[in-house]
Amino acid sequence: SQKIEQNSEALNIQEGKTATLTCNYTNYSPAYLQWYRQDPGRGPVFLLLIRENEKEKRKERLKVTFDTTLKQSLFHITASQPADSATYLCALGAGNQFYFGTGTSLTVIP
Amino acid sequence: DAGVIQSPRHEVTEMGQEVTLRCKPISGHNSLFWYRQTMMRGLELLIYFNNNVPIDDSGMPEDRFSAKMPNASFSTLKIQPSEPRDSAVYFCASRNSGGPYNEQFFGPGTRLTVL
Repeated sequence: SQKIEQNSEALNIQEGKTATLTCNYTNYSPAYLQWYRQDPGRGPVFLLLIRENEKEKRKERLKVTFDTTLKQSLFHITASQPADSATYLCALGAGNQFYFGTGTSLTVIP
Repeated sequence: DAGVIQSPRHEVTEMGQEVTLRCKPISGHNSLFWYRQTMMRGLELLIYFNNNVPIDDSGMPEDRFSAKMPNASFSTLKIQPSEPRDSAVYFCASRNSGGPYNEQFFGPGTRLTVL
């Protein structure tokens, strides 16, 4: 069965540092991978998409990499701010199938 | 646009009762998803509609769960009879499957508590 693992359930970093979140998957060959942000009491919000033939995507302070050989995506937030504190979810998609990871809770300490 | 609208936002019911959750997707979106989120299992896809037709309901846990989409602007998720283990946050999401990013737009969720 499909399994998606995100690194530690919780990650604490100092403001200004780069946060790196990991998404590993098995038994699947996704056509694309997405990252979402979820704040308490709210639904997930889409951040970035990276396709299987892309190695890296950037959006402002965000960077996503996708290694289909390692079956891994890395999500980086540079110059982190307390407002970046949230849960971040990766999601794999192909056709009708769509799976979310369990998420990593990020806390940026001022 | 108001985004995806879900109602009710909170629902508390007793075991055995019927529960109906409602969703209005973003106008123009042709795909609709129902998810369940718990601490233990994370975000699980229950069912997915495309152009009002159920495409994949393999995530529906059992026959107690049913979902309908009678038109492009409305969907329901029904649990009958409800059980305490159904307690979770239920999200509805919609998507324009022709969009470049395939992103889903989530509603605020319905927090269901079954006593």
